[in-house]
Amino acid sequence: GAVVSQHPSRVICKSGTSVKIECRSLDFQATTMFWYRQFPKQSLMLMATSNEGSKATYEQGVEKDKFLINHASLTLSTLTVTSAHPEDSSFYICSALTGDNQPQHFGDGTRLSIL
Amino acid sequence: GENVEQHPSTLSVQEGDSAVIKCTYSDSASNYFPWYKQELGKGPQLIIDIRSNVGEKKDQRIAVTLNKTAKHFSLHITETQPEDSAVYFCAASKGSNYQLIWGAGTKLIIKP
Repeated sequence: GAVVSQHPSRVICKSGTSVKIECRSLDFQATTMFWYRQFPKQSLMLMATSNEGSKATYEQGVEKDKFLINHASLTLSTLTVTSAHPEDSSFYICSALTGDNQPQHFGDGTRLSIL
Repeated sequence: GENVEQHPSTLSVQEGDSAVIKCTYSDSASNYFPWYKQELGKGPQLIIDIRSNVGEKKDQRIAVTLNKTAKHFSLHITETQPEDSAVYFCAASKGSNYQLIWGAGTKLIIKP
């Protein structure tokens, strides 16, 4: 149980392209999902908290117009990196809560490479 | 705000030996402490967690201990195997619905 699927697993695209990453909870409903960014050999950095049916809450320093988050259903949240540039290249990971007072379960991440 | 420190950054142990990773936290209001294992190119996988009303929790070869007074918690892996090689992260929060504050990670290497 508690499977989180993230797609795509890897994206390589040109600078200026917008990229959408999907995060799905496969066997449970997730009212809350989280989006993280991870640089090589570093810990996870929370970007935003996504709640179904409401606007995402972004962490300080994360541009909400750059990283668009949509959580339109209880099983799907999307992160769109708009007009991506090489500095946006990173490993993006989502997680989902299975319920109140339950742990976060993570997807397998998306490796984004902007040329 | 909360700060979580994790040590060591790299740990190399002989297969079959035990491994211990330690974390300290600063916010006494934190009451939920998960441990995650991350393999190369994958997302973190929850391996064990503990809440502040419990001092120790065990799941087969993995155990976690919590000392609320000293504000530190530790991961213990016994009878280590090659598949235990990965990066391990500790985290703390004021409840599992809340933001996780992450340690810097420990790269565990199991030598055959």
